[in-house]
Amino acid sequence: GAGVSQSPSNKVTEKGKDVELRCDPISGHTALYWYRQSLGQGLEFLIYFQGNSAPDKSGLPSDRFSAERTGGSVSTLTIQRTQQEDSAVYLCASSLFIRDEQYFGPGTRLTVT
Amino acid sequence: GDSVTQMEGPVTLSEEAFLTINCTYTATGYPSLFWYVQYPGEGLQLLLKATKADDKGSNKGFEATYRKETTSFHLEKGSVQVSDSAVYFCALSDPGANSKLTFGKGITLSVRP
Repeated sequence: GAGVSQSPSNKVTEKGKDVELRCDPISGHTALYWYRQSLGQGLEFLIYFQGNSAPDKSGLPSDRFSAERTGGSVSTLTIQRTQQEDSAVYLCASSLFIRDEQYFGPGTRLTVT
Repeated sequence: GDSVTQMEGPVTLSEEAFLTINCTYTATGYPSLFWYVQYPGEGLQLLLKATKADDKGSNKGFEATYRKETTSFHLEKGSVQVSDSAVYFCALSDPGANSKLTFGKGITLSVRP
């Protein structure tokens, strides 16, 4: 079946612009995670959604970052007023339930110039 | 907080050599442990996992044993192949923290013919 998909695959933006990154999880998966992979910080957790519960935003690096998950399915990660240090690969993962294996999407490579 | 420490890389081996990649962890709860692999140009894939002490995860000839007494989860393979060239990440998932993954920095393995 279809895996986790993310769009766009690559995004180049100018410093100060806003960007939106999209994640389509595996159908029926209740848990959705966003991670960031950068040279300096490695792989780090950003935010977690589970069903209709309040999201765990403890990994968001600043208030310029926000995310939503509509209808328990598609998620959008928004970065406002992008900075060069936001350049990274943004990964989305989903799992059937909490504690199950997480399946990762191919990522969105964000470059801030 | 939770953390994962991997040995420094990169690692270069000849085909059929024995592989060990060290991984140790600290966690406040009782975590599950994972090895993820990222092949060139591909997304993160789960390689193997272990959910409790003394469990051995295995897949594609790779093995790792959950050692609670030494807080370790070292990855081993008896005979590596060129196709094993990839980046390997050790990770833990704390069920008390929404099962978000905490990753090590990753290590690049190159296997030469």
